[in-house]
Amino acid sequence: AQKVTQAQTEISVVEKEDVTLDCVYETRDTTYYLFWYKQPPSGELVFLIRRNSFDEQNEISGRYSWNFQKSTSSFNFTITASQVVDSAVYFCALSEANYGQNFVFGPGTRLSVLP
Amino acid sequence: NAGVTQTPKFQVLKTGQSMTLQCAQDMNHEYMSWYRQDPGMGLRLIHYSVGAGITDQGEVPNGYNVSRSTTEDFPLRLLSAAPSQTSVYFCASSHTGPKNIQYFGAGTRLSVL
Repeated sequence: AQKVTQAQTEISVVEKEDVTLDCVYETRDTTYYLFWYKQPPSGELVFLIRRNSFDEQNEISGRYSWNFQKSTSSFNFTITASQVVDSAVYFCALSEANYGQNFVFGPGTRLSVLP
Repeated sequence: NAGVTQTPKFQVLKTGQSMTLQCAQDMNHEYMSWYRQDPGMGLRLIHYSVGAGITDQGEVPNGYNVSRSTTEDFPLRLLSAAPSQTSVYFCASSHTGPKNIQYFGAGTRLSVL
């Protein structure tokens, strides 16, 4: 069965520190997609990134980077030089190609960046 | 550029009351879904639809009904509200296919007393 685990419930860092949010997934499919969403204090859900199971290249977008490793079933998210505006709940999600397109979300990690 | 619109933003119900949460999208997306968000549990799928006239149950469907008469609209009905349905509800839409990004509405915060 598909499952997403985000073991870190809450993380607090001081501004300018680097922080990594962990995501571990379980899937029965060979083709699947992984997503990260951000939920700031205002409550909306904002898409950050999508990765498919055949593309293990790491990705960097400004201060954000993602490390996808199929060998450990992980899709971790790093924020470099964190800022107060990064404070949010971050969700990792999984969608399988051959078992419908429904997302399974992890429980989320609440990140607090202190000034 | 409306995207996914949910109404109302906030609602308080008494146990046993019924109500409908509205969701509309203007992106011509075939797939629409409803989630509930509870502390520590992420988002859990309630019901989803892959097109007008087609709906199916998700992980936590009990106590909720849906219908999809048009591509644009996907209302969620609570027939007899219970305190356990106190939650934040999100509607999402996307094109069909597992690779597609789901776009979310702003959410409805529901309290059942």
